[in-house]
Amino acid sequence: EDKVVQSPLSLVVHEGDTVTLNCSYEVTNFRSLLWYKQEKKAPTFLFMLTSSGIEKKSGRLSSILDKKELFSILNITATQTGDSAVYLCAVELNYGQNFVFGPGTRLSVLP
Amino acid sequence: DGGITQSPKYLFRKEGQNVTLSCEQNLNHDAMYWYRQDPGQGLRLIYYSQIVNDFQKGDIAEGYSVSREKKESFPLTVTSAQKNPTAFYLCASSLGRREVGNEQFFGPGTRLTVL
Repeated sequence: EDKVVQSPLSLVVHEGDTVTLNCSYEVTNFRSLLWYKQEKKAPTFLFMLTSSGIEKKSGRLSSILDKKELFSILNITATQTGDSAVYLCAVELNYGQNFVFGPGTRLSVLP
Repeated sequence: DGGITQSPKYLFRKEGQNVTLSCEQNLNHDAMYWYRQDPGQGLRLIYYSQIVNDFQKGDIAEGYSVSREKKESFPLTVTSAQKNPTAFYLCASSLGRREVGNEQFFGPGTRLTVL
């Protein structure tokens, strides 16, 4: 069974802290790994990773994929209260254009 | 503006009633998806469609039905057979191309409450 696991499930930090969110997966046909940020409603896209070892960056956020160890991390530096959200990791499978989502990490950034 | 719309935003229904949730996209995407999200949980796939007039069951299709008569539209019907339908429903679409990774774009969601 295809599975995506995220840790921690919940995290509380203070503004200015750096956080690392983890995503590991066990799937039969991997195509890509995606990170989304979900605040109140619709998830918004952050990164898509297809190749190992290539870091993707967007401002204070960065992410990297390790296809040998089957995991990805999402780093957020100098956190702000606006980073408070649920961060979802999803793996796109190589058949049926199907996606498997992890449970999400709920990040709370306190002022 | 290109995007995905879902309606209604909030929906209340009585037990035993069928209800249809709308999802429309003008992104010219081939693939469309329906997910269910329960509090504190990730997204679970209900149905997906890669092309017009074709759709596949996801992990939790029981009690739901869909149609894909037009590329832009992928309505979801929650039937009375769905035992626990109260949830947040998200529609998504993607290019659906086999050669490259595909990003999903999400609609704003419909919150369904069964009274």
